[in-house]
Amino acid sequence: EVQLVQSGAEVKKPGESLKISCKGSGYGFSIYWVGWVRQMPGKGLEWMGIIYPGDSDTTYSPAFQGQVTISADKSISTAYLQWSSLTASDTGIYYCARRSAGSGSPFYFDYWGQGTLVTVSS
Amino acid sequence: QSALTQPASVSGSPGQSITFSCTGTSSDIGYYNYVSWYQHHPGKAPKVIIYDVSDRPSGVSSRFSGSKSGNTASLTISGLQPEDEADYFCSSLTTTNTWVFGGGTKLTVL
Repeated sequence: EVQLVQSGAEVKKPGESLKISCKGSGYGFSIYWVGWVRQMPGKGLEWMGIIYPGDSDTTYSPAFQGQVTISADKSISTAYLQWSSLTASDTGIYYCARRSAGSGSPFYFDYWGQGTLVTVSS
Repeated sequence: QSALTQPASVSGSPGQSITFSCTGTSSDIGYYNYVSWYQHHPGKAPKVIIYDVSDRPSGVSSRFSGSKSGNTASLTISGLQPEDEADYFCSSLTTTNTWVFGGGTKLTVL
């Protein structure tokens, strides 16, 4: 069974750093792109970026370029999203999602993590 | 890349059919047939219900259908059921090889 299991909720202060994780199982983690999506309180989904764990090739949304870092460790089937200095506007739920692949269309996200709530407050 | 535009909320009664709209631009929905729709029950992981404009993943009810015209995609749910109450998000690949999502539509089943 394909699963993406994310790390637990975090409460941080402005200026602190943070790294959240997304562990894949039940499939070849290295050969599927993994994306990150933000949902701010009461808002819609925002695509942040995507990584190919096999070679760490990464694409960022212009809105998030330079604001976050996406990485992956294929040896432990885990993708990461990190901030070097959080602000209150980073508060939200962050989802990882596997980009589909195979014989069909590779242009949607077929499995999602349960989400990680990040709260940034002084 | 601006978010795709979705109505904030729609409502319907059990058994009815309801259609959601999702409006983008010629750089996303209008360019590619790579529109997908996701059902999201708060507190749970989003679930894909439509991909490539109108295809359904295995296991998704045939009550869900999708279409596209120009820069606007649509999701129709027929035979509305109480368990359909959720948030629905559209998404599209863009010409910059990134993805864009909509703001989401909250469906209330009366």
